[in-house]
Amino acid sequence: GAVVSQHPSWVICKSGTSVKIECRSLDFQATTMFWYRQFPKQSLMLMATSNEGSKATYEQGVEKDKFLINHASLTLSTLTVTSAHPEDSSFYICSAPPTSGGGKETQYFGPGTRLLVL
Amino acid sequence: GDSVTQMEGPVTLSEEAFLTINCTYTATGYPSLFWYVQYPGEGLQLLLKATKADDKGSNKGFEATYRKETTSFHLEKGSVQVSDSAVYFCALSSLGQNFVFGPGTRLSVLP
Repeated sequence: GAVVSQHPSWVICKSGTSVKIECRSLDFQATTMFWYRQFPKQSLMLMATSNEGSKATYEQGVEKDKFLINHASLTLSTLTVTSAHPEDSSFYICSAPPTSGGGKETQYFGPGTRLLVL
Repeated sequence: GDSVTQMEGPVTLSEEAFLTINCTYTATGYPSLFWYVQYPGEGLQLLLKATKADDKGSNKGFEATYRKETTSFHLEKGSVQVSDSAVYFCALSSLGQNFVFGPGTRLSVLP
C-alpha cells in the first residue's frame, strides 16, 4: 500500500529552539496533507490542513505563528514548531489522501514524530 | 462537535480469545465510521470501515457493524492472535476527509 514517512521519528530539543518535522508521501502525490497531535492516552486532534501551493488551514485554538506549515511540493509537507516549550511535547502525526484514486476517505498515515522539549 | 468514545485500555487477552472493543460516537449528520490499527513503530493503517447504517465492515477476521440506533461501531474478532497486539483507534469522518479519532485502545495478546 501507499506509504507516508515522517522525519525525524524522535526529537529532543531545548526550550526556545525550533523543530522541523517532515511528512513525505513516498509513492503517491497529495495536494492535501493533515497534521495531527496526540497527547498521551488521548485522541489524535487535527491541528491543520496543509495545502500544496497555498496557505494552510488551522483548526480553532492552534497558533499559526507557532506551528508553521509549508506544503512545498506534492509529496512534502513540513511542520515547524517555533520557540518550542515543554507544553509542546507531544506525538505529531501526518496523513495524506492520494490526489487520485482510493476514494475520498482514503487516508495514509505517517508513523508519527515524538517531540520532547526540555 | 463530533466525538468518538472508546473503551479504556489496555486490554489483555490470551490467544484465541474473543475480542470486543466498544466504540460510540456523537455526530451531526451521517458520518462514515472507521477502525484504524497502529502496530508498534508503524503508522496508522485502515482496518475496516462502514459508510452507512447497518453496513458491516470486515477485514483480517475483524468485524464492526454501523449501528445508527445506538450510535456504535464495536470492533469484534472471534479468535485473536499474538500478531493482533496493537493500538486500535475508532474514528469518524463527517466531511469526507476530516477525521475525529477516539483515544485508542491498546490490545495485548499473550501466547
